[in-house]
Amino acid sequence: DTEVTQTPKHLVMGMTNKKSLKCEQHMGHRAMYWYKQKAKKPPELMFVYSYEKLSINESVPSRFSPECPNSSLLNLHLHALQPEDSALYLCASSQVRQNYGYTFGSGTRLTVV
Amino acid sequence: KNEVEQSPQNLTAQEGEFITINCSYSVGISALHWLQQHPGGGIVSLFMLSSGKKKHGRLIATINIQEKHSSLHITASHPRDSAVYICAAPNFGNEKLTFGTGTRLTIIP
Repeated sequence: DTEVTQTPKHLVMGMTNKKSLKCEQHMGHRAMYWYKQKAKKPPELMFVYSYEKLSINESVPSRFSPECPNSSLLNLHLHALQPEDSALYLCASSQVRQNYGYTFGSGTRLTVV
Repeated sequence: KNEVEQSPQNLTAQEGEFITINCSYSVGISALHWLQQHPGGGIVSLFMLSSGKKKHGRLIATINIQEKHSSLHITASHPRDSAVYICAAPNFGNEKLTFGTGTRLTIIP
């Protein structure tokens, strides 16, 4: 298995909703990432987990809450989002050293209404 | 932080043409990533290369570590190659990638 699987592919949520994005990989990668990508822009790093511990938080607002329950799963919990949070949310994984095997998921397209 | 520059930003070509996209970075790295993103789609990792050349089908990536420069070539281009191509370089000492701004490629039938 050489894929990063993200669910759901599309999500529409209201500003008062709570939802979660899920990411799964079975490549034995111990680094997992959340990125946010706005239209026609490169991805922006949000969080990095290394060996299931949060190693980088790029000053992301607390309405985004990441969770890494085990070495194969990564979640992003969403609460009280704003319309400007609408974007493509990408998960990626890699080996910890030197980013070997960097693999992206196909993303969740989030619309906040 | 690594500065990554790509050129051109936009490229339109006829089907069958040979395509070259360039990427330069400021800080020495162990490897460089080339990524592909179709409109509205997720990102696909095309190559990670640390030296020399790699080939996959009609795609060829080269890197010159001394000159801090990499190129992505597409031979016999096809409309399905139309996408944004992004190079990305790791930052020293952590797991971050610095992304180039991307090259938007359009292949006209």
